[in-house]
Amino acid sequence: DVKVTQSSRYLVKRTGEKVFLECVQDMDHENMFWYRQDPGLGLRLIYFSYDVKMKEKGDIPEGYSVSREKKERFSLILESASTNQTSMYLCASSPPQPYEQYFGPGTRLTVT
Amino acid sequence: ILNVEQSPQSLHVQEGDSTNFTCSFPSSNFYALHWYRWETAKSPEALFVMTLNGDEKKKGRISATLNTKEGYSYLYIKGSQPEDSATYLCAFIRYRGGGADGLTFGKGTHLIIQP
Repeated sequence: DVKVTQSSRYLVKRTGEKVFLECVQDMDHENMFWYRQDPGLGLRLIYFSYDVKMKEKGDIPEGYSVSREKKERFSLILESASTNQTSMYLCASSPPQPYEQYFGPGTRLTVT
Repeated sequence: ILNVEQSPQSLHVQEGDSTNFTCSFPSSNFYALHWYRWETAKSPEALFVMTLNGDEKKKGRISATLNTKEGYSYLYIKGSQPEDSATYLCAFIRYRGGGADGLTFGKGTHLIIQP
């Protein structure tokens, strides 16, 4: 059974902290993605990666960075968390085109 | 940022009725169009992945059509059941030289089936 896991379901951090959100997939997928979901705005792509050590900006990369050192793991980093980064974060992986997404359970991050 | 629109935003349907909703997307540089179902407290799950103009896909009571030249896709649900209550998302993937771009999701259609 395909599986994408995220390190935490709920996370509370303080403004200015460095935050790591981890995503692991066990399907040997080349592609991995990070999204955030906000009411009224839908799912928005932050970053994605087509291969180890490769990354591409999505629609809203500002304030975020990513790391992909191993094929199965894709990390989202908030260098200095701010309150406007309070959101639900979803990770996904996909096989090659046409990129059907397999989503993780999500991490609800609150920045206070 | 690409414009991917879904309508209606929300829909209340009586159990047993059929319904449909729309996803519109840019008609140029098409690569693929996906439909996902997102149930409360779960993760989105893929329903259909569509790549060719004129594609029609079916899974049980749910089907989808695709018109890439005019930039729209319809999702149909026949004989709605309470378990069909969910948010339905479409996602557009644009072609760019050498491959595909990332996914751009619509805001979704929130479907509620009333017994």
